[in-house]
Amino acid sequence: QQQVKQSPQSLIVQKGGISIINCAYENTAFDYFPWYQQFPGKGPALLIAIRPDVSEKKEGRFTISFNKSAKQFSLHIMDSQPGDSATYFCAASKGDMRFGAGTRLTVKP
Amino acid sequence: DVKVTQSSRYLVKRTGEKVFLECVQDMDHENMFWYRQDPGLGLRLIYFSYDVKMKEKGDIPEGYSVSREKKERFSLILESASTNQTSMYLCASSTTPWDTQYFGPGTRLTVL
Repeated sequence: QQQVKQSPQSLIVQKGGISIINCAYENTAFDYFPWYQQFPGKGPALLIAIRPDVSEKKEGRFTISFNKSAKQFSLHIMDSQPGDSATYFCAASKGDMRFGAGTRLTVKP
Repeated sequence: DVKVTQSSRYLVKRTGEKVFLECVQDMDHENMFWYRQDPGLGLRLIYFSYDVKMKEKGDIPEGYSVSREKKERFSLILESASTNQTSMYLCASSTTPWDTQYFGPGTRLTVL
């Protein structure tokens, strides 16, 4: 059962553009929504996370937007750089962590 | 700096072999996890452990077992490897099951 649905599966963006990855969840009990970034040959690492009491969290060029009523959250990468090319996973947790299927982002120079 | 290490980066085994994947964390975390990562399927939880000698099945435990004899070490065992177990295996640890997880670099296992 896929409790967190992530889209798109892959994304190509030009350098300087905005990358947007979306996730939707089913379980309204989820109360922690992290995003992980994974470079080739490495394990995923926490990038940014949000709790449902806020609608947006920004850290540098990375922003999470959270819509509790729609049960959706998204990652926005502003001024995307080739170094941002990686696989991104959204996740949601309450008692245990559920991951999305991942988005492979390629930022072209 | 937090660290999760896995015993091998690449492993090639034959069908029917018993395979051990080992994971060690140095953060004194109570919780440890084993996932497999496959293209288009994301991270799927195989087993997790919330304490020494304690374990819980994840979403896809069939064909796997685990062992946690010490707090810092969590082993994944493939009793009789099969070709459909060819995958990337990721170990993680965390302070609580629902909090930030710290991942190891992964073991890419190929079963021939």
